[in-house]
Amino acid sequence: GIQVEQSPPDLILQEGANSTLRCNFSDSVNNLQWFHQNPWGQLINLFYIPSGTKQNGRLSATTVATERYSLLYISSSQTTDSGVYFCAVRVSDSWGKLQFGAGTQVVVTP
Amino acid sequence: DGGITQSPKYLFRKEGQNVTLSCEQNLNHDAMYWYRQDPGQGLRLIYYSQIVNDFQKGDIAEGYSVSREKKESFPLTVTSAQKNPTAFYLCASVGLGGTGELFFGEGSRLTVL
Repeated sequence: GIQVEQSPPDLILQEGANSTLRCNFSDSVNNLQWFHQNPWGQLINLFYIPSGTKQNGRLSATTVATERYSLLYISSSQTTDSGVYFCAVRVSDSWGKLQFGAGTQVVVTP
Repeated sequence: DGGITQSPKYLFRKEGQNVTLSCEQNLNHDAMYWYRQDPGQGLRLIYYSQIVNDFQKGDIAEGYSVSREKKESFPLTVTSAQKNPTAFYLCASVGLGGTGELFFGEGSRLTVL
């Protein structure tokens, strides 16, 4: 099956810093999503981005499908950005498995 | 408000008991999914269903069962055959005619004593 690798596994940031999270995947995909899991466990949709670039406030994401990676940018980080960020992909021609990466644990300190 | 509702949010059970977790959506989504998350880990797919009365096993289906009698409902039963049932369970859904963006419920945390 498709492999999804996220890096780095852990990230500690001071408030106000910028960061980049990476997601590599091993096969062609027709769906790529970024999620933020808050401390209560809820998964919040950040981006649906199978290709191209999107921005939402201080967050932006870029997926280069031909090179099989996606990047999530966090600018001017805030303590509320803490949590785990997951990348998930679905392979082409499949409505079944949305394969998740292991996540990046982000801690933003005041 | 449209969304996915999971219940209960917290559940404690004794070993050997079957447990059913509820997942209801009013988004008119076709496909529904159950994922399991262990502490510090990513999500793993248990079962999924694309249409009523049909469902497929995911990567870790052993010890679980599901039904899909109505489009809006996809309950998960954790049976006594599941060796390590303590986990966080997340239900999700997607509309097949749309973009394919997946949405999640708030999760159910099961602890087996």
